[in-house]
Amino acid sequence: EADIYQTPRYLVIGTGKKITLECSQTMGHDKMYWYQQDPGMELHLIHYSYGVNSTEKGDLSSESTVSRIRTEHFPLTLESARPSHTSQYLCASSQETQYFGPGTRLLVL
Amino acid sequence: AQTVTQSQPEMSVQEAETVTLSCTYDTSESDYYLFWYKQPPSRQMILVIRQEAYKQQNATENRFSVNFQKAAKSFSLKISDSQLGDAAMYFCAYWASRGNEKLTFGTGTRLTIIP
Repeated sequence: EADIYQTPRYLVIGTGKKITLECSQTMGHDKMYWYQQDPGMELHLIHYSYGVNSTEKGDLSSESTVSRIRTEHFPLTLESARPSHTSQYLCASSQETQYFGPGTRLLVL
Repeated sequence: AQTVTQSQPEMSVQEAETVTLSCTYDTSESDYYLFWYKQPPSRQMILVIRQEAYKQQNATENRFSVNFQKAAKSFSLKISDSQLGDAAMYFCAYWASRGNEKLTFGTGTRLTIIP
């Protein structure tokens, strides 16, 4: 079982609030990823990182931002949450095989 | 650009029977990896099985096996003796091992197990 953690698991928040979704891994992986996924639907890559101080935007445009100050930590921030941000956010890390965290379900009211 | 196609949005199988989920991909690379991931309802995405393209032998993991046809760019997943816990979304994925390529996912197949 992969050691990758996400907090919070569930979040209900009002429009306009700033939120940070946390992701940490203890495997020493250089590569980390954030995906957005509506329930039962395909995954969309929104951000990725190949190492410390490296961040790139993914295939799906997102208003979120990420940082990678430490190898093990890859937080995602929404400066002003909107109902359209309601979704599930999956964090993953890899050397070769990609392992996923449990996800954060976000509901913006 | 690499693409991964799962042509079966939904599949169902009787408990204890065998089911095969299809996946095709398009690539010009020679070295790559293929994966099947399982995502049960409201639960974590987990790796089911992995295949290195340079290996001719099909990967197997207990009741899960693949039929990897490199020339046809096909990578199907066979689940034997289906169990209720196999009900999930199954995603096929491709990763080119050269350079810093990203994982490319298919759109998924929802598998229902009929008791």
